[in-house]
Amino acid sequence: DAGVTQSPTHLIKTRGQQVTLRCSPKSGHDTVSWYQQALGQGPQFIFQYYEEEERQRGNFPDRFSGHQFPNYSSELNVNALLLGDSALYLCASSPGLEMTQYFGPGTRLLVL
Amino acid sequence: KNEVEQSPQNLTAQEGEFITINCSYSVGISALHWLQQHPGGGIVSLFMLSSGKKKHGRLIATINIQEKHSSLHITASHPRDSAVYICAVGGATNKLIFGTGTLLAVQP
Repeated sequence: DAGVTQSPTHLIKTRGQQVTLRCSPKSGHDTVSWYQQALGQGPQFIFQYYEEEERQRGNFPDRFSGHQFPNYSSELNVNALLLGDSALYLCASSPGLEMTQYFGPGTRLLVL
Repeated sequence: KNEVEQSPQNLTAQEGEFITINCSYSVGISALHWLQQHPGGGIVSLFMLSSGKKKHGRLIATINIQEKHSSLHITASHPRDSAVYICAVGGATNKLIFGTGTLLAVQP
């Protein structure tokens, strides 16, 4: 079992651009959560997907959107990038409402 | 005030010392997680607790639901334990609220 995988590992963008980050959950997991971790801070919840729908959302603007596919993989899209979007983006998966979340290695995004 | 507070923020210890990291929270929870994050970002789940105490190797985690407090202990600390330790709490919806982490450095 490969565990939770994320791609790409690193990404550099410029202000105003759009970015798509990808996450493949652990085998058997159908719930995917996305978190943003700014440097020196704890992760902040962005949103969670279950059964291809956004189930709940944190305090992030509409520039942050996502999608979950039938195979439970997920994408995080950020439009109109700002310098402040530079962060480590973490994906975590869990089997439905089970609380144990397994984290991926993260995608480090730098916005210049 | 953050919903999850950790202390200390930074901790330096000598190899072999007993280490305690504390976490207090102000919201109702279904479970509390202790996570380890190494430089480079990857997060590893150490414990998930809803009551009592759990032990894994040299790591021990306790939680007091009434006091809304948890502790992570590391016995016989080793330089490879150096990492950021993060406390996170989750409610019925499985959304996690994280503390800001404790940066631990264990010196040989």
